[in-house]
Amino acid sequence: GESVGLHLPTLSVQEGDNSIINCAYSNSASDYFIWYKQESGKGPQFIIDIRSNMDKRQGQRVTVLLNKTVKHLSLQIAATQPGDSAVYFCAEIGLNNDMRFGAGTRLTVKP
Amino acid sequence: DADVTQTPRNRITKTGKRIMLECSQTKGHDRMYWYRQDPGLGLRLIYYSFDVKDINKGEISDGYSVSRQAQAKFSLSLESAIPNQTALYFCATRAGTGADTQYFGPGTRLTVL
Repeated sequence: GESVGLHLPTLSVQEGDNSIINCAYSNSASDYFIWYKQESGKGPQFIIDIRSNMDKRQGQRVTVLLNKTVKHLSLQIAATQPGDSAVYFCAEIGLNNDMRFGAGTRLTVKP
Repeated sequence: DADVTQTPRNRITKTGKRIMLECSQTKGHDRMYWYRQDPGLGLRLIYYSFDVKDINKGEISDGYSVSRQAQAKFSLSLESAIPNQTALYFCATRAGTGADTQYFGPGTRLTVL
């Protein structure tokens, strides 16, 4: 899961397996959540988003789940591929439009 | 062509020097942002601008200044660089409010010796 600190949480999965990356957010009034993927040497890239009035949203090979009761967000990647190796982090947007980012989780896909 | 570009991509400078990082976007977005990223930490907001005449401090604005020269351009300056400003700097744009994602540039790696 996400945490702030000097060392990123890491997740290592076998190619073809499913990956689940977790994020705990802080503001119960946050209205909108985004997952980003950041590959080495590149800027963050949008993956998928979800509004607070939803608890699940699916994209291509990715699913985001939102549990507002425990302020938890997860990103599921199906059939993980080597190209999925990156740092993934969540962002929450509050009602006053401020964005806060998690520190990220490093996903490594083993061939 | 990239929608959000940053120059330079890498810069090494010395303590006390003035540095300017530039950002340009072709997305036509009104909102532009500057973040820094440090190892193991999330993105932290330095400054943001909602339009050409609007500049706002972010979470960590001390030691930085910005200029919004046009809708498409937003530059970040370090008036007198110090070693703890060594970081990866990202520019981002966003169309408007609510359910709009940010689009990030490729980043500028700045090292202050």
